[in-house]
Amino acid sequence: GAVVSQHPSRVICKSGTSVKIECRSLDFQATTMFWYRQFPKKSLMLMATSNEGSKATYEQGVEKDKFLINHASLTLSTLTVTSAHPEDSSFYICSARTPQGTEAFFGQGTRLTVV
Amino acid sequence: GQNIDQPTEMTATEGAIVQINCTYQTSGFNGLFWYQQHAGEAPTFLSYNVLDGLEEKGRFSSFLSRSKGYSYLLLKELQMKDSASYLCAVMDSNYQLIWGAGTKLIIKP
Repeated sequence: GAVVSQHPSRVICKSGTSVKIECRSLDFQATTMFWYRQFPKKSLMLMATSNEGSKATYEQGVEKDKFLINHASLTLSTLTVTSAHPEDSSFYICSARTPQGTEAFFGQGTRLTVV
Repeated sequence: GQNIDQPTEMTATEGAIVQINCTYQTSGFNGLFWYQQHAGEAPTFLSYNVLDGLEEKGRFSSFLSRSKGYSYLLLKELQMKDSASYLCAVMDSNYQLIWGAGTKLIIKP
């Protein structure tokens, strides 16, 4: 099946610094990728929809200046958490839509801890 | 509004069968997904149903009734490694996934 690679899997950063998370579709071109955040024991929360070559669409309540999304190519989308704070500590997961239009493939997730 | 309901937690015995139900109310329907998620890991795709009926895949089967807004995931011959959360998600008319809160499945020896 299709593979989506997310990197890094874990990152610890200091408060005030920025962290970049990469999401790559390895064997298909993904015009659309999705970024989710998951709090402990909660379901996935869609943060934004990333479209190749255009600006991301953010969900209500998600700060676009804090969570910068770039989808520069058909196989790569990045999420940058800027000026990270401890409350940004969470599990971030990307997924990529296959060309057929079904969204079934997730990256491995990134555990972000801000200290 | 859009809503996905599934039980919070279920317990079953190793070797037995368990059925996890999911009911939904969404604006449009473009398919229903089931995912398995072990603690601390990303979800893993299990099944996709867009037509009514039962889809069988090894020990796992998924059923859909669009008229009833209902699906279930059936797990047979339960193994300890099946202990995980099972997430139901519906793709709405905008091709966005609406997520249930997940069902934590506990398998006992």
